[in-house]
Amino acid sequence: NAGVTQTPKFQVLKTGQSMTLQCAQDMNHNSMYWYRQDPGMGLRLIYYSASEGTTDKGEVPNGYNVSRLNKREFSLRLESAAPSQTSVYFCASCVDLKSYGYTFGSGTRLTVV
Amino acid sequence: AQSVAQPEDQVNVAEGNPLTVKCTYSVSGNPYLFWYVQYPNRGLQFLLKYITGDNLVKGSYGFEAEFNKSQTSFHLKKPSALVSDSALYFCAVRDTGGFKTIFGAGTRLFVKA
Repeated sequence: NAGVTQTPKFQVLKTGQSMTLQCAQDMNHNSMYWYRQDPGMGLRLIYYSASEGTTDKGEVPNGYNVSRLNKREFSLRLESAAPSQTSVYFCASCVDLKSYGYTFGSGTRLTVV
Repeated sequence: AQSVAQPEDQVNVAEGNPLTVKCTYSVSGNPYLFWYVQYPNRGLQFLLKYITGDNLVKGSYGFEAEFNKSQTSFHLKKPSALVSDSALYFCAVRDTGGFKTIFGAGTRLFVKA
């Protein structure tokens, strides 16, 4: 039972490069989320997807795009990476938006130089 | 707007002593409240939730939390701390009409043997 799987675990990018962070869940959850974690700031919501085919902005969406490819997969794309996007990125899922607890992936540590 | 405050960056406690990690919140309606724990290089793990009902909520690993509506608090407690409880703890809130969960900045718990 894998839960929420994120790839890659670590990545170093140069300023201006692009990349896609992958997330997949095998729990048949409807809702999926992308958060970034920065020291002293907790987790901030980047984008979320209430259900397959829908996406919405969170608190800090600038510089990111997302795709809900199917019910299982929710990817996060950085089109032109900036040093301010250096962070740890977490994907999470839950049964639906009004459900209670999230299941988190193990995170992607991204450094932009 | 929703917000969560965890006033202590770090809590230090001796093994066997009771521990408290503080959390206060602000929401426009009735709150859904959560505690998560994060171990090094791992994603967040759900500990417990308050949705409605009894103000004292019991969760995983012997943790409990007390909902206090008048003080808008949801402090995490454990009667006897273990060294293995050392981790980063996050309080989170969602209002019952909303779809976004807001996380606090986190409190690092250090339990000394």
